[in-house]
Amino acid sequence: GENVEQHPSTLSVQEGDSAVIKCTYSDSASNYFPWYKQELGKRPQLIIDIRSNVGEKKDQRIAVTLNKTAKHFSLHITETQPEDSAVYFCAASRKAAGNKLTFGGGTRVLVKP
Amino acid sequence: DTAVSQTPKYLVTQMGNDKSIKCEQNLGHDTMYWYKQDSKKFLKIMFSYNNKELIINETVPNRFSPKSPDKAHLNLHINSLELGDSAVYFCASRNGAASNQPQHFGDGTRLSIL
Repeated sequence: GENVEQHPSTLSVQEGDSAVIKCTYSDSASNYFPWYKQELGKRPQLIIDIRSNVGEKKDQRIAVTLNKTAKHFSLHITETQPEDSAVYFCAASRKAAGNKLTFGGGTRVLVKP
Repeated sequence: DTAVSQTPKYLVTQMGNDKSIKCEQNLGHDTMYWYKQDSKKFLKIMFSYNNKELIINETVPNRFSPKSPDKAHLNLHINSLELGDSAVYFCASRNGAASNQPQHFGDGTRLSIL
């Protein structure tokens, strides 16, 4: 089955700096890669996603890149703000597996003011 | 209006008891999921239903029995609760008819076994 590795597990950045989180996946048939943000005690919320026919996607301060050949994808947050502090999860899925999400282990991001 | 709602939000009970968690979505989705988030925050798929039919069962102990009375509801019944069942259980739903659609999560049910 699919295996998703996520690094780093914790990330501390100064407000205004950029944050980068990297994930690798094992199943070359995976074709959908969402990123979720989870604040303490809250539900995971989708912040951006990318499909395998696209190499890069951007939404304001958030961008995701996908390298299908290397089977890795990354989340980039620019101009970080204290409200960006949360746990971020990458995930991978494919239709043949019921579109279940296989999650990475999460990255705890702390943005210091 | 909450799109995916779970009840109860908190559940504290003793080992050996049987308990149920309910999930309802008003998004018109036809596919629903249960995920378990353990104390280390790791999220793992448990079950999925599409139009009331079980499509994913991730080798979860058979003490866990999901039930989908209709495509807007997916409940989870747990028998003979064990300490290791303590976790946050998230329900999610998506539009299964369209490919690569995002899953929307409920607020979670925090289950604590004493």
